[in-house]
Amino acid sequence: DIQMTQSPSTLSAAVGDRVTITCRASQSISIWLAWYQQKPGKAPKLLIYKASSLESGVPSRFSGSGSGTEFTLTISSLQPDDFATYYCQEYNTYWWTFGQGTKVEIK
Amino acid sequence: EVQLLDSGGGLVEPGGSLRLSCAASGFTFSNYAMSWVRQAPGKGLEWVSTISGSSDRTDYADSVKGRFTISRDNSKNTMYLQMNSLRAEDTAIYYCAKGHSGRRVDAFDIWGQGTMVTVSS
Repeated sequence: DIQMTQSPSTLSAAVGDRVTITCRASQSISIWLAWYQQKPGKAPKLLIYKASSLESGVPSRFSGSGSGTEFTLTISSLQPDDFATYYCQEYNTYWWTFGQGTKVEIK
Repeated sequence: EVQLLDSGGGLVEPGGSLRLSCAASGFTFSNYAMSWVRQAPGKGLEWVSTISGSSDRTDYADSVKGRFTISRDNSKNTMYLQMNSLRAEDTAIYYCAKGHSGRRVDAFDIWGQGTMVTVSS
């Protein structure tokens, strides 16, 4: 099974900050990586698919990069609506594994 | 509007059974793989099961294999999760989710609101 490791687990940042979250796969997953945002009491929301493709309707301050085993989600200028938990997910084979999540908190 | 409505959760005793449903609307249901993802209280997301658009392939997480069965009725635009031999560790919010682009292995672009399953005596 592929393991997905996110870092950091928690991140404190201020509005306007540039934020980067990292996700590492235990083996190569090519570009088959997605990023989700989840707010308390709500279902996850797809932000990025195929490592760097922005889902329709998602603000352009969100971007993804990487391939193989190393991936990043970047928020260029953190907005009040962005305080949430973020998950990466691999979908390289007939198995779907999520990272453990990164909670972005207000500094 | 593309929408998923999941239902069927509740309180069940250990060893019991429950069937979840996910009603889809706003897209051609049979063209997309569908999945179940769960989230235990205060924990992260865990993939549970996925079924292809034509039902010719089903996949399960090891934690539920042999106890849960995923199925779909494309004539009713509905997916199901039959959960048997339930354990306390199955307690979670269960979300249904739609495959993004029609690939068999895909990200999840639309999610239901979630239905809570509590396994307790």
